[in-house]
Amino acid sequence: QKEVEQNSGPLSVPEGAIASLNCTYSDRVSQSFFWYRQYSGKSPELIMSIYSNGDKEDGRFTAQLNKASQYVSLLIRDSQPSDSATYLCAVMGGNNRLAFGKGNQVVVIP
Amino acid sequence: EAGVAQSPRYKIIEKRQSVAFWCNPISGHATLYWYQQILGQGPKLLIQFQNNGVVDDSQLPKDRFSAERLKGVDSTLKIQPAKLEDSAVYLCASSLAGTGGAYTQYFGPGTRLTVL
Repeated sequence: QKEVEQNSGPLSVPEGAIASLNCTYSDRVSQSFFWYRQYSGKSPELIMSIYSNGDKEDGRFTAQLNKASQYVSLLIRDSQPSDSATYLCAVMGGNNRLAFGKGNQVVVIP
Repeated sequence: EAGVAQSPRYKIIEKRQSVAFWCNPISGHATLYWYQQILGQGPKLLIQFQNNGVVDDSQLPKDRFSAERLKGVDSTLKIQPAKLEDSAVYLCASSLAGTGGAYTQYFGPGTRLTVL
């Protein structure tokens, strides 16, 4: 079982719609969770961090964490063409190592 | 505030050759990381330094990869000899905090390595 799984294929959403991304993780003692955005040919950029169960909102982004289900999600509201990128889920496990999923590509269609 | 600097940005070598990458972290950041990102995958940690000491190198292929962080600032990552499967982007990141707890890792622009 992979440490962090992001299984959805490329996600195409119309401009103004909500993009929803999901991530599951295997290490039950994980305490810190992150979403990074990576534009093509660029390095990852942190957009959200979450440490407690529930929702955390920052502008058009909302991260959701459910430790019992070992599940993290990211919602992007009012999607813009500039949101077109790959979104990486990252989890800090009990070994204090940040493990990344393979990423989900989001394409916002004007 | 200046970000994480890396050089070179691109490197093309033939298999069995050697290559070295350089990283300068954000000023004051004690922790430095080297990641390997293969096309279509997320970054994979190769080695983590806390100041000039190694915290985690469990995923570093030590038969061919080496890294050092002399004086606890700049770091170099070396591959000798390179294999075709080493073609990837090598990302350097730094953070204020050490192990454990909540912190943010800031990534440099990366070095894209192509091994022919």
